Amino acid sequence: EAQVTQNPRYLITVTGKKLTVTCSQNMNHEYMSWYRQDPGLGLRQIYYSMNVEVTDKGDVPEGYKVSRKEKRNFPLILESPSPNQTSLYFCASSFGQLTGELFFGEGSRLTVL
Amino acid sequence: KQEVTQIPAALSVPEGENLVLNCSFTDSAIYNLQWFRQDPGKGLTSLLLIQSSQREQTSGRLNASLDKSSGRSTLYIAASQPGDSATYLCAVRDNNNDMRFGAGTRLTVKP
Repeated sequence: EAQVTQNPRYLITVTGKKLTVTCSQNMNHEYMSWYRQDPGLGLRQIYYSMNVEVTDKGDVPEGYKVSRKEKRNFPLILESPSPNQTSLYFCASSFGQLTGELFFGEGSRLTVL
Repeated sequence: KQEVTQIPAALSVPEGENLVLNCSFTDSAIYNLQWFRQDPGKGLTSLLLIQSSQREQTSGRLNASLDKSSGRSTLYIAASQPGDSATYLCAVRDNNNDMRFGAGTRLTVKP
C-alpha cells in the first residue's frame, strides 16, 4: 500500500530534550516536505527536499533541522524543543518536484512541556 | 508572496444539498492546485489535483474547477452526505515549489 508513515504519532516531551520525528514513504517520491498545523494559523511549511541531499527552508524553519540521506526518509529533528513547538506535524511527499500530487502522513502530535 | 483564501470558513447544510466551496489565490503563476479533506485530528487526504493547464477534474460526486487567470477554484460537492462532514483545504503550488494552503472550510452536513 502506498503511504507516508510518521513516527511517533503522539509524543510528550520536555524543553531541551532532543527528539526526532521520522518520515518514510514507499512511493519512490523525489519531493518531501514537513508542515506544522496550528489553530488559526493553518498549515505552514517547515522544510522541504527536492531530492536526496537537497533540502531547503520553508516558512518556519527556526528550531528545526532535517536531513535527506535516502530517498525514502526525511526525518525532522528538534535539537532543543521549546513549548512554542507544540503542534501537529505532517510529512508529505510527491512524485515530481512541481506537478505531482501531494500525499500526507497521518500526523504527529507533539507536546513540549 | 502567494496568499490563498477560502470562503466560507464554515458551512452547514442539510443532507442531499449540492454545495460549492471557494478558493482564491493572489498569484496566477501556479503549477497546480490540490483539494484535500481533513477529518479532526487526522492527516490530509487528497481529493483532486488540477494541473495549471487543466480547467477541471472530477471524482465521483466531486468536481473541482480552476480559473487561473482570475485566481479562483471551486469544489462542487453533489448530493452531500453526513460522511462528507470534514474540513476542506485547497493548496496551490507555485513556481518556487512552495505549497500554500488556505485556512480551510469546515463543512457540516446534517442528517
